This record gives sequence, C-alpha cells and structure tokens, in this order.
Amino acid sequence: AQTVTQSQPEMSVQEAETVTLSCTYDTSESDYYLFWYKQPPSRQMILVIRQEAYKQQNATENRFSVNFQKAAKSFSLKISDSQLGDAAMYFCAYRSARYGGATNKLIFGTGTLLAVQP
Amino acid sequence: EPEVTQTPSHQVTQMGQEVILRCVPISNHLYFYWYRQILGQKVEFLVSFYNNEISEKSEIFDDQFSVERPDGSNFTLKIRSTKLEDSAMYFCASRTGWSSLEAFFGQGTRLTVV
Repeated sequence: AQTVTQSQPEMSVQEAETVTLSCTYDTSESDYYLFWYKQPPSRQMILVIRQEAYKQQNATENRFSVNFQKAAKSFSLKISDSQLGDAAMYFCAYRSARYGGATNKLIFGTGTLLAVQP
Repeated sequence: EPEVTQTPSHQVTQMGQEVILRCVPISNHLYFYWYRQILGQKVEFLVSFYNNEISEKSEIFDDQFSVERPDGSNFTLKIRSTKLEDSAMYFCASRTGWSSLEAFFGQGTRLTVV
C-alpha cells in the first residue's frame, strides 16, 4: 500500500522569505501523480501544485515550485517570497495513475502547519 | 468558475441519529469521492463512486455508511447511526474523468455528534 509522510508538523517563515516543506512517499508503482494541497483556516482544500511522475521537469506555479526526486521518493514544496496569506496547513498527496484499477483515491500525508511571521 | 457545493456547512446531531450530507459536484464530472478529516488529523479517503456504483471504499466505510446519487446531480453520504467518533469534517470531491489530474473539493461539512 502507498503511504505519504510529512515529517514536519509545523514550520515558520518570515514574510518575503523562502520555505521548503518536505514530503516523502512509498509506492511500488512507476506511474503516479503527486499533489500539494493548501488548507487555510476556512478548511477548504485548495490545490497548489501537481506533478506527474513521468515528467522529469519540476512543476512550478508562480511562487510555488516542487523538487521531485523520483528515485528518492521525495516531493518537497518550495514557497518563495512568502506572504501572510500562505499561512495554512499544507498536505502532500499521492494518486495512482494505474488505469482501470480502483485505486484512484488521494492518499494524504499528515500535513505541515505553516505560519508566516510579519 | 464551477465549484463543488456541500450542504450543510455545519451539522450537529445526537448520537444514534441518521445524518445525510449533501454534495453537488461539478456538472460534467464523472468521479465522486467522500473524504473525512477528524480535527487536527489527516484527510482520509472514505469512498469513491463512478458510473452509479461504489468503485472503492476504505475500512472506515462500514455498513453504517452509504452513498447515493439519486437524481444525477446530488451526491449524498448517509451515516445511519452516528457515533461520537464520526465527528469530523467531511469533504466531497469530484473529477472530470480518469485522466484528469485535479480533484475539486467542496468546502466541507463539519459534523458534530453529541
């Protein structure tokens, strides 16, 4: 079974600085997707960024980028120029890309609570 | 922009009562999900639904739980006899098709069992 591990329960960053959130996962599959979701105090789950495992190039979305290391099964999120609105819980998630199987659910890590200091 | 809508936003119920949580997925989506998040814990998969039937369910999704898509638009989660440990945030999510990457989440229903 696949698992997702986030080893940092809490992180803190100064406004305008850069922070990296860690995520590792375990799977025997070769094709899958990885995601970072943001959950602000409103509890809504918001997709931040996604990565297809077959792509070597790291995904970027404005101030958000990932460092995807497939061999190491590592998928970290870098937030540049941190803003107060980035304060939230961040979840790393895995989804199988295997077609026809029932395993198309998201598997989440335990989350990292990010505080942004003014 | 289309969005997944969940009602109610907060539900308080007595232990042993039945509750129905409602979701309206995005209209052209084919895959539907329920997830649960106990306060302060991670988001856990409950059930996935496709082509009017359950495609996968977790160990949490026992006989007390059921899902339905009664009218082609609503997607409901029923808990037959609620327990205190069912208190959690329940999220509905939907996806366009198998190849679509993004699952769109609703804003959640906070269920409190007293």
